[in-house]
Amino acid sequence: EAGVAQSPRYKIIEKRQSVAFWCNPISGHATLYWYQQILGQGPKLLIQFQNNGVVDDSQLPKDRFSAERLKGVDSTLKIQPAKLEDSAVYLCASSLISGSGNEQFFGPGTRLTVL
Amino acid sequence: AQSVTQPDIHITVSEGASLELRCNYSYGATPYLFWYVQSPGQGLQLLLKYFSGDTLVQGIKGFEAEFKRSQSSFNLRKPSVHWSDAAEYFCAVWLSNTGKLIFGQGTTLQVKP
Repeated sequence: EAGVAQSPRYKIIEKRQSVAFWCNPISGHATLYWYQQILGQGPKLLIQFQNNGVVDDSQLPKDRFSAERLKGVDSTLKIQPAKLEDSAVYLCASSLISGSGNEQFFGPGTRLTVL
Repeated sequence: AQSVTQPDIHITVSEGASLELRCNYSYGATPYLFWYVQSPGQGLQLLLKYFSGDTLVQGIKGFEAEFKRSQSSFNLRKPSVHWSDAAEYFCAVWLSNTGKLIFGQGTTLQVKP
């Protein structure tokens, strides 16, 4: 069974530029998560999708971050414009369903450096 | 506020020695607890989880963890560490009231030959 796929693996941009990350979850997984992991910290949830609907985006900085999951499969996270403090690893995870602590499977992440 | 604390940011052990990584949580209800491992450049891999029942849970790669409600702890242990265990370890708690997985800040494990 293929795992969660993410691309690109690394991205370097200058502040005020825009960037997009792509995630393809495990086949059949209804729930998709985007996390931000700043160096030296644990992952922090940005947004959670159930199929193609948003369940929780309370921690997403909506003035610059956006995410979509069209057709309820793969997802794109965008930052526009990027700030220095956005430098982090962006992890995508998926699970069969949400709730009851259902196991989340994580992708390898995209490491973003904003100069 | 609900939180997860991993008191040790960095731990170094010799290969073959025993290991214990500490995790404390703050959550009023019965927690769902997890330990994940993250190798450099990799995503997080689930080592083990506790939902209910036996408070000593076995995981992959020879790891185990013990849930102690009285101490609000879920410490990870391994009797004999291998060089390949060097990685970052995250404790996490799933909050039933919000449906969110909250992570600790992580413990970096270094293994000396």
